[in-house]
Amino acid sequence: KNEVEQSPQNLTAQEGEFITINCSYSVGISALHWLQQHPGGGIVSLFMLSSGKKKHGRLIATINIQEKHSSLHITASHPRDSAVYICAPTRGGSQGNLIFGKGTKLSVKP
Amino acid sequence: NAGVTQTPKFQVLKTGQSMTLQCAQDMNHNSMYWYRQDPGMGLRLIYYSASEGTTDKGEVPNGYNVSRLNKREFSLRLESAAPSQTSVYFCASSPPTYTGELFFGEGSRLTVL
Repeated sequence: KNEVEQSPQNLTAQEGEFITINCSYSVGISALHWLQQHPGGGIVSLFMLSSGKKKHGRLIATINIQEKHSSLHITASHPRDSAVYICAPTRGGSQGNLIFGKGTKLSVKP
Repeated sequence: NAGVTQTPKFQVLKTGQSMTLQCAQDMNHNSMYWYRQDPGMGLRLIYYSASEGTTDKGEVPNGYNVSRLNKREFSLRLESAAPSQTSVYFCASSPPTYTGELFFGEGSRLTVL
């Protein structure tokens, strides 16, 4: 069983739809990252969460440390949101020492 | 600011050849990382350096060596390349305060024949 499971693996949405990507993990962690990988390959850090909820623009991330579950929500989705979204809990020791999920590929159609 | 710069962006090697991937950041970050990304495997940490002069193994260190030359630069060396090291390599850095933000380079695509 993978230490980090993301669902769905692939997601196609219409512009304007509300998107939810889920992440469940089995390792004990103190924080979790959400990353965005653009179609060209570049990776951008979206959030790091250790509890509760964070919001940045149309993106909202939540985490429940006890249940080992996190969600990433995108409100009013747009074609420019098309990317792979990666969940990555921390192993500890250094904030970049991460265990990566395999990603959710999101495609938003106009 | 350039952020995190990796070179080269593309490289083709023959089995047994050696090469060094270079990474530099201009954000005065303490911590730097090397990851590899393979289809179906996701990203995996190879080595990291929490501060100048220190390095630690990540999940998949075998076949690689690293050098934290100074605060700016963190290089990854393949002494004897193998086809299993065909991958896309990403360097990243993070600031000293635990803000959680990671800054990634654009990636280096390495093919070992």
